[in-house]
Amino acid sequence: RKEVEQDPGPFNVPEGATVAFNCTYSNSASQSFFWYRQDCRKEPKLLMSVYSSGNEDGRFTAQLNRASQYISLLIRDSKLSDSATYLCVVIPTTGNQFYFGTGTSLTVIP
Amino acid sequence: DTAVSQTPKYLVTQMGNDKSIKCEQNLGHDTMYWYKQDSKKFLKIMFSYNNKELIINETVPNRFSPKSPDKAHLNLHINSLELGDSAVYFCASSQVLWGELFFGEGSRLTVL
Repeated sequence: RKEVEQDPGPFNVPEGATVAFNCTYSNSASQSFFWYRQDCRKEPKLLMSVYSSGNEDGRFTAQLNRASQYISLLIRDSKLSDSATYLCVVIPTTGNQFYFGTGTSLTVIP
Repeated sequence: DTAVSQTPKYLVTQMGNDKSIKCEQNLGHDTMYWYKQDSKKFLKIMFSYNNKELIINETVPNRFSPKSPDKAHLNLHINSLELGDSAVYFCASSQVLWGELFFGEGSRLTVL
C-alpha cells in the first residue's frame, strides 16, 4: 500500500467554484503534513502546511483528520491561476523522509 | 537570483552513456536532495545530504552516484544510462532536514 494516496483527477471546475481534494495516508504515526503545488512542467512549491486544528490562507483551507487518516485542501472562488497539480506530502514520526502523493490535477475553466 | 539552480535543464542521450546533472543553492541551506519524477508524476526521493554527508540513500541503482563538494552543491552522476532512467530529476534544498523544500526547475532526461 502506498504511503500517500490521492485521487489524480482531473478536476475541471468553472471559475468561482469551490473545489476540495482529499489525500489519505497509511502511517497513523505520521506527524507533519503539507500541500505543494506544481504547475505544468515546473517545480513543486510549498502551498501550505497543514496543522492539527486546520488552517486557512486566503481562499485556501487545509484540514487534518487523524482518526480517518486524511488531509484535505479546499479552494474557494477558484481562479484560472489555480490550475495546477496539488501534491499531498506526509512526514512520518520517524521523520526520515517526505512522502509525496502522485498529485491531483485541477483545471479551472473560464 | 535563482535560489536552487540545476543544469542542464534538458538532456537527451543514448543508452549506455554517462551523464551528470549539477545543482547549486544560494539559500544557505544545510540539506540538499535529489528527487526523481517519473512519467506518472510520482516524486520519489533518491538521496539526501545534510552538511555534505549522505543521510538518505534510497534503493536506487548504484549507477547513480551523488557528490556534494560543499553544502551549496549536490551533483548527480549517472553511469550506463538505461531507458527507464528517463524522467525529470529535481534537486531541492531545505534549511533544516525535512523542512520546507525549495526545488530547482528540474532536469528533463530522455534516454534513447
